[in-house]
Amino acid sequence: SQQGEEDPQALSIQEGENATMNCSYKTSINNLQWYRQNSGRGLVHLILIRSNEREKHSGRLRVTLDTSKKSSSLLITASRAADTASYFCAPSGNTPLVFGKGTRLSVIA
Amino acid sequence: GAVVSQHPSRVICKSGTSVKIECRSLDFQATTMFWYRQFPKQSLMLMATSNEGSKATYEQGVEKDKFLINHASLTLSTLTVTSAHPEDSSFYICSASRQGGMNTEAFFGQGTRLTVV
Repeated sequence: SQQGEEDPQALSIQEGENATMNCSYKTSINNLQWYRQNSGRGLVHLILIRSNEREKHSGRLRVTLDTSKKSSSLLITASRAADTASYFCAPSGNTPLVFGKGTRLSVIA
Repeated sequence: GAVVSQHPSRVICKSGTSVKIECRSLDFQATTMFWYRQFPKQSLMLMATSNEGSKATYEQGVEKDKFLINHASLTLSTLTVTSAHPEDSSFYICSASRQGGMNTEAFFGQGTRLTVV
């Protein structure tokens, strides 16, 4: 199974600032997905970027993918307190989704 | 988006008893569902892949006789924690993909907080 590694492990920012988190992986993929998890809840799918895409936007989210470097980034612009959560990337090939430790984002009002 | 419902959301049980957790895909058929376990402030650990109509595939280190998985229909998978012990206390989460595949968006249940006393 493929597992992404998120960086940083924890991030604390002020409301209104942008938050950037990174993901690295080791093997070839078909796509890469980002998920959010609020404390004590299940995961919510945020965005899926295919291996032939380099950048994708969804609202305040911007995801990039560099398959040559086997890395992806998630940018949340104009962050809000409600964005406080853990964020996980899931490199996807032909195996079930597996998750790293995630990035714990705290947005301070 | 698609909805995956997990029940119960919380359960407390005594050591030695068994607990069943249900995972339902409410508006799509899922030939494959996945069960994860998560300890506090840790990542989700894949426990097993639940296949409709056949035996589940367990990840290394997961006891299949301890964690019984049944996927009797295209919309329901159950995880039964048998003879529960306090160390089984954890957060259990299921997921399903719309096409039953492993490369598409996954939808997660709300999770079940199991406490064994």
